[in-house]
Amino acid sequence: KQEVTQIPAALSVPEGENLVLNCSFTDSAIYNLQWFRQDPGKGLTSLLLIQSSQREQTSGRLNASLDKSSGRSTLYIAASQPGDSATYLCAVGSGGANNLFFGTGTRLTVIP
Amino acid sequence: SAVISQKPSRDICQRGTSLTIQCQVDSQVTMMFWYRQQPGQSLTLIATANQGSEATYESGFVIDKFPISRPNLTFSTLTVSNMSPEDSSIYLCSVEAADYGYTFGSGTRLTVV
Repeated sequence: KQEVTQIPAALSVPEGENLVLNCSFTDSAIYNLQWFRQDPGKGLTSLLLIQSSQREQTSGRLNASLDKSSGRSTLYIAASQPGDSATYLCAVGSGGANNLFFGTGTRLTVIP
Repeated sequence: SAVISQKPSRDICQRGTSLTIQCQVDSQVTMMFWYRQQPGQSLTLIATANQGSEATYESGFVIDKFPISRPNLTFSTLTVSNMSPEDSSIYLCSVEAADYGYTFGSGTRLTVV
């Protein structure tokens, strides 16, 4: 069964700093990987979707990379802002249609 | 990508009662997914709802506790029945589109007292 791990569990950085969030998965046979943002008590907002054939995706200050062979993805956030404070979840599509495996998340705090 | 309206956004319920959560999608979708997120945990899939057939439940979830309706291709409900404090969680619905991945509703934050 696919297992998804996110490190660190929590991260606190000063405003303006660049940062990297990590996601690892145990089974490299994935069909996509998706990064989400979740504000406290709220639903999930999709940030980036990387298909299995892709190496990276970019949206604004966000860049996500995917290395299937090593079972890793990173989410790079440039010039962090207090509004970026949230929990970031990665989710891997794997094992058959509509199977989505979630990591436990990284709680990010950006200090003004 | 699809837009999902989920309600209620939050509720506080007495133990032993039931709560029905609704999700409306702005486009027709074949499958809708219901998730639970317990405090401090990640998301767990409860069931997959197809229009015109019984929902498919994941291990550990049963229809009597979490009945699901899917009357058409844009709407679904999840009921949390005979609630206990252990049911206090965020409940989310989701749909998938090939080019956009999964889209989630805004979540229902349930507290059972």
